[in-house]
Amino acid sequence: AQSVTQLDSQVPVFEEAPVELRCNYSSSVSVYLFWYVQYPNQGLQLLLKYLSGSTLVESINGFEAEFNKSQTSFHLRKPSVHISDTAEYFCAVSVGAAGNKLTFGGGTRVLVKP
Amino acid sequence: GAVVSQHPSWVICKSGTSVKIECRSLDFQATTMFWYRQFPKQSLMLMATSNEGSKATYEQGVEKDKFLINHASLTLSTLTVTSAHPEDSSFYICSAIPGQGDQPQHFGDGTRLSIL
Repeated sequence: AQSVTQLDSQVPVFEEAPVELRCNYSSSVSVYLFWYVQYPNQGLQLLLKYLSGSTLVESINGFEAEFNKSQTSFHLRKPSVHISDTAEYFCAVSVGAAGNKLTFGGGTRVLVKP
Repeated sequence: GAVVSQHPSWVICKSGTSVKIECRSLDFQATTMFWYRQFPKQSLMLMATSNEGSKATYEQGVEKDKFLINHASLTLSTLTVTSAHPEDSSFYICSAIPGQGDQPQHFGDGTRLSIL
């Protein structure tokens, strides 16, 4: 079985400051890794994914995450946050295929302050 | 592309009634859909995997007779909460996988269910 741990349940950060959201996973087999973002009263939006290839993946809105196999981590970073980045962020893994059932971390709430 | 729509977005009903939630893939066919439940300030918990034309696969601890899932077409899955009670109040989210390629799940906007 797989498990995902997001070490920070809440991260307050000032606007234009950098942010890092930590995600560690446990699995006996290779996994696919995802970051999803959830705005209040909405579903989840895929932020970025690691399926194979380059261990550094980037999104169109400035987020990036790096897969580190030795540390079983997939931390999410953004060098300069905006107020609109205030949301809940979920790290997730699947096994076998990108569309297989997901195991989610507990989520990290990012609150961007002006 | 890969838009998933849920309906309704909000529903309030009396205890003892049954509520149906629809999940539609608008611009793709989905042989597999998933249903999740999310309590306030918590993560998503997978309830069941819905496969078109066959019975859903429920996760351990999820009551099959309580949460009826029907995936009758390649673009529609429904979740019916039968004889709902206040403890069934939650945020229900579905997701679907585009049929071709190794694609990640795409999520609907969720349905907030409140049982009085």
